[in-house]
Amino acid sequence: AQTVTQSQPEMSVQEAETVTLSCTYDTSENNYYLFWYKQPPSRQMILVIRQEAYKQQNATENRFSVNFQKAAKSFSLKISDSQLGDTAMYFCAFIYNFNKFYFGSGTKLNVKP
Amino acid sequence: NAGVTQTPKFRVLKTGQSMTLLCAQDMNHEYMYWYRQDPGMGLRLIHYSVGEGTTAKGEVPDGYNVSRLKKQNFLLGLESAAPSQTSVYFCASLGLAALGTQYFGPGTRLTVL
Repeated sequence: AQTVTQSQPEMSVQEAETVTLSCTYDTSENNYYLFWYKQPPSRQMILVIRQEAYKQQNATENRFSVNFQKAAKSFSLKISDSQLGDTAMYFCAFIYNFNKFYFGSGTKLNVKP
Repeated sequence: NAGVTQTPKFRVLKTGQSMTLLCAQDMNHEYMYWYRQDPGMGLRLIHYSVGEGTTAKGEVPDGYNVSRLKKQNFLLGLESAAPSQTSVYFCASLGLAALGTQYFGPGTRLTVL
């Protein structure tokens, strides 16, 4: 069975600093997708970044980047130059075959001024 | 484009009552999903649909039924609500060209007394 683990229930970072959120997953599949979603207090799920498992290159979206280690089944999110608007819950998700979706339990990120 | 919309946004039910949640998407996506989100947990898949007229069970299907009579709509029904079904419900859609990226609705907060 696939599982997704986020071991950091809550983290804090000072504005303008860098923070890394960790995520590990367990699967026997070879082709899959990994995502980070952001959920602010408005509770809307917002896509932050996507990684295709067949790509070795780490995905980057502006201040957000991932460190994808396929052999170690690790998928961490790095947020650079943290902003107050980054305060939210962050969920790591594993998707396989468009009908198998697994989300981690989330990491609450607080960006302090 | 409105994206993914959900109706209603909030609802309070008494134990044993029934209700239907409506999800609509205007992106012509093939796949649609219903999730529930409980405190301290990520999203868990209830049911999903790979196309008009087809539905399938997800991780936590008990107590729910779904229908997809039209491609753009996906209904989630609770026949006899229980307090354990108190949760926030999210609908999502996914297009085959989207490389696994789901688009989420704003959520419905359901309380069963």
